[in-house]
Amino acid sequence: QVQLEESGPGLMQPSETLSLTCTVSGFSLTSNGVGWVRQPLGKGLVWMGTIWAGGSTNYNSAVQSRLSISRDTSKSQVFLKMNSLQPEDTGTYYCARHDGYGGPFAYWGQGTLVTVSS
Amino acid sequence: DIRMTQSPASLSASLGETVNIECLASEDIYSDLAWYQQKPGKSPQLLIYNANSLQNGVPSRFSGSGSGTQYSLKINSLQSEDVATYFCQQYNNYPMNTFGAGTKLELK
Repeated sequence: QVQLEESGPGLMQPSETLSLTCTVSGFSLTSNGVGWVRQPLGKGLVWMGTIWAGGSTNYNSAVQSRLSISRDTSKSQVFLKMNSLQPEDTGTYYCARHDGYGGPFAYWGQGTLVTVSS
Repeated sequence: DIRMTQSPASLSASLGETVNIECLASEDIYSDLAWYQQKPGKSPQLLIYNANSLQNGVPSRFSGSGSGTQYSLKINSLQSEDVATYFCQQYNNYPMNTFGAGTKLELK
């Protein structure tokens, strides 16, 4: 069955670079796009960016200058890197699989909490 | 960017009651709309896609409707397990997609 699992450090300091990994199973990264969605504590969902089945990427303009999404198809992993972290980047980070090309997120990881604090 | 305005922000309803949640898009999104349910401490789960298509495994008491800029999620015969926060999402503005702010549903 389709599964996604995020991993990464829980605590970061301001100005550091965040690196998260999403390991997927049950589907191929060359068949479906995978996106990252952030949720500040107690708040709503914000799409950050997606790496599509063909390998191209798109980012939310609010974080585009700081964000990079890449993948290793042989390892079924998608990576998020975001630099210049600030306390407002604190939240739960989810990776999720698009259903179809540009469609909704039918499958989600369990999420990983990232806290940015000095 | 397309903005999604969701209402109400919170609501309280009784078991067995029918609940409606609205989502208004800032422009026509041609039914490219999804609804998610998120229970505390859990990941969001897709309930409805393409405005009115029920995702596999979702109880039939959930239904979606709407077109153009106005959409709604209806929950018939509210159950205790339906207590959650509900989000709408537009995916018409490919490759961008945006979520509504959420509606927190509680039991009265």
